[in-house]
Amino acid sequence: AQKITQTQPGMFVQEKEAVTLDCTYDTSDQSYGLFWYKQPSSGEMIFLIYQGSYDEQNATEGRYSLNFQKARKSANLVISASQLGDSAMYFCAMRESSGYSTLTFGKGTMLLVSP
Amino acid sequence: DAGVTQSPTHLIKTRGQQVTLRCSPISGHKSVSWYQQVLGQGPQFIFQYYEKEERGRGNFPDRFSARQFPNYSSELNVNALLLGDSALYLCASSLPAILNTIYFGEGSWLTVV
Repeated sequence: AQKITQTQPGMFVQEKEAVTLDCTYDTSDQSYGLFWYKQPSSGEMIFLIYQGSYDEQNATEGRYSLNFQKARKSANLVISASQLGDSAMYFCAMRESSGYSTLTFGKGTMLLVSP
Repeated sequence: DAGVTQSPTHLIKTRGQQVTLRCSPISGHKSVSWYQQVLGQGPQFIFQYYEKEERGRGNFPDRFSARQFPNYSSELNVNALLLGDSALYLCASSLPAILNTIYFGEGSWLTVV
């Protein structure tokens, strides 16, 4: 079974609109962390936002917020006020307590922002 | 402060050859991990090193090896290259005690012909 599932291969959004990228995860650990990364065509994996399993509030970083629903095992990324520069691949990843500092990634979602 | 740096950025090798990729972590980070990202997929974990010891290994053949040096930099070696080894190789550094600090370099694009 996949540990990280991203069901949207591609998403389209108009500039200045908000968009939600879906991520569901599977783990039996009580302590884990969820990450979102942005990967432009250059290849660099850019850290966006982190949510710990014990964090009671949803994480926010500027225009990025993480809609964390622990019971449903979902960790959706919300980008508000999309910009043309947001066009990229977006990956959801999980670090489990047994995995030291290693990450398990989903297959990613390609986001295209149009003018 | 410098981020995670990797070298070389691009390289082309022939089947059967060997390749060495290098990674310098963020200053103060003692943990380094390597990932392979094949086109169209998410990164797959290869190795993790902390304090110069291997702490984790993904499902990769023995042709893949790595090491970490006293200054915490790391090398990934791949022997007997196959066409399927063509990928982006990403290095990540982290502070294991601080759970949300996992940062990646720009990667090394390897093409095997």
